Amino acid sequence: AQRVTQPEKLLSVFKGAPVELKCNYSYSGSPELFWYVQYSRQRLQLLLRHISRESIKGFTADLNKGETSFHLKKPFAQEEDSAMYYCALTALSGGFKTIFGAGTRLFVKA
Amino acid sequence: DTGVSQDPRHKITKRGQNVTFRCDPISEHNRLYWYRQTLGQGPEFLTYFQNEAQLEKSRLLSDRFSAERPKGSFSTLEIQRTEQGDSAMYLCASSATGGETQYFGPGTRLLVL
Repeated sequence: AQRVTQPEKLLSVFKGAPVELKCNYSYSGSPELFWYVQYSRQRLQLLLRHISRESIKGFTADLNKGETSFHLKKPFAQEEDSAMYYCALTALSGGFKTIFGAGTRLFVKA
Repeated sequence: DTGVSQDPRHKITKRGQNVTFRCDPISEHNRLYWYRQTLGQGPEFLTYFQNEAQLEKSRLLSDRFSAERPKGSFSTLEIQRTEQGDSAMYLCASSATGGETQYFGPGTRLLVL
């Protein structure tokens, strides 16, 4: 069965500090991992996906299959990064069902 | 194209009533997903379609829930005999193909009294 775990419900950092939002997954097949973000009063939207290997808004995420992790990182947090972040896993074998983690609220303090 | 739209945005109903929600995906997307989100949780998978075919339905979904996508375009989600536990945000998303980025609608917030 698929499972996505985000251990921190809330993460509070100061502006300019590094930030890491943790995501661990459980899936026996081939996964596609995503980070979605929801800013205040906006709809859920894609931040980045592992297959594209892009850096979006300064965020990066590396898929570590050995540790089954997909942590989201940014070296210098900005106030506008304050939002709800969800890690998601899509099963590439057997139907493309997507499972989301419970989310981490990031609060960047001035 | 303005993206995925959902209607209504809010719905208040009494326990035992039936409700129906509509989702209009991005026009060229053949995949459509329904999720439910409660406070403090991430979106929970309910069901999804490829074109008009419903490919998977969550085991968490009771028989009171049904979804359709009759012509492979818009979709409806119906909840019969609503219960207070059905109160949640219902999200719709679409993607071009399976495994691709999902684009979400604004959601329909349901409150069952």
